[in-house]
Amino acid sequence: DAGVTQSPTHLIKTRGQQVTLRCSPKSGHDTVSWYQQALGQGPQFIFQYYEEEERQRGNFPDRFSGHQFPNYSSELNVNALLLGDSALYLCASSLRLAVLGDEQFFGPGTRLTVL
Amino acid sequence: SQQGEEDPQALSIQEGENATMNCSYKTSINNLQWYRQNSGRGLVHLILIRSNEREKHSGRLRVTLDTSKKSSSLLITASRAADTASYFCATDEGGSEKLVFGKGMKLTVNP
Repeated sequence: DAGVTQSPTHLIKTRGQQVTLRCSPKSGHDTVSWYQQALGQGPQFIFQYYEEEERQRGNFPDRFSGHQFPNYSSELNVNALLLGDSALYLCASSLRLAVLGDEQFFGPGTRLTVL
Repeated sequence: SQQGEEDPQALSIQEGENATMNCSYKTSINNLQWYRQNSGRGLVHLILIRSNEREKHSGRLRVTLDTSKKSSSLLITASRAADTASYFCATDEGGSEKLVFGKGMKLTVNP
């Protein structure tokens, strides 16, 4: 049973560039959430996708956008990169219809460095 | 915004000792989850406790939840060097599906 997978593992970009990160959810899960974790901090919620639509969004600018595909996999896109976007980007998957909420399972993350 | 706040922020113990970490949060919740993270890698889910539960066990882990005090504790018994990691509590703020994390607590277990 494959867990949550993310690609790439590491990425180096320069300011102003655009980046796309990818996530495949755990088998059987239909909901994908994205989090940003700055060094020494806890993860911060970016947004969540279910049925190919953005359902909830955290306090992140429009430069952060996403997409969910029919197979439930997801992409996170960040435009006009800033130095402050350097972080570990985590994808989490869960089952939407679980009663009273359910565990979110996280992938290994993508380490993005913006120079 | 961070809702959960872990306490202490860092803890160093000897192998075999117990480790207790506390988490406080601000709003009503449906559940609270604890995660472990090794060296800036992905988060590993440890345990979920629902708002109508007061205590839950999983192996060497014991979690308590006091909704009246908006606090939770995670106890790791008979710690091992492999337990060295950062630990985070996360809540479903106001019952929403997004998780709100604290800043984490760094546990060091010395062999």
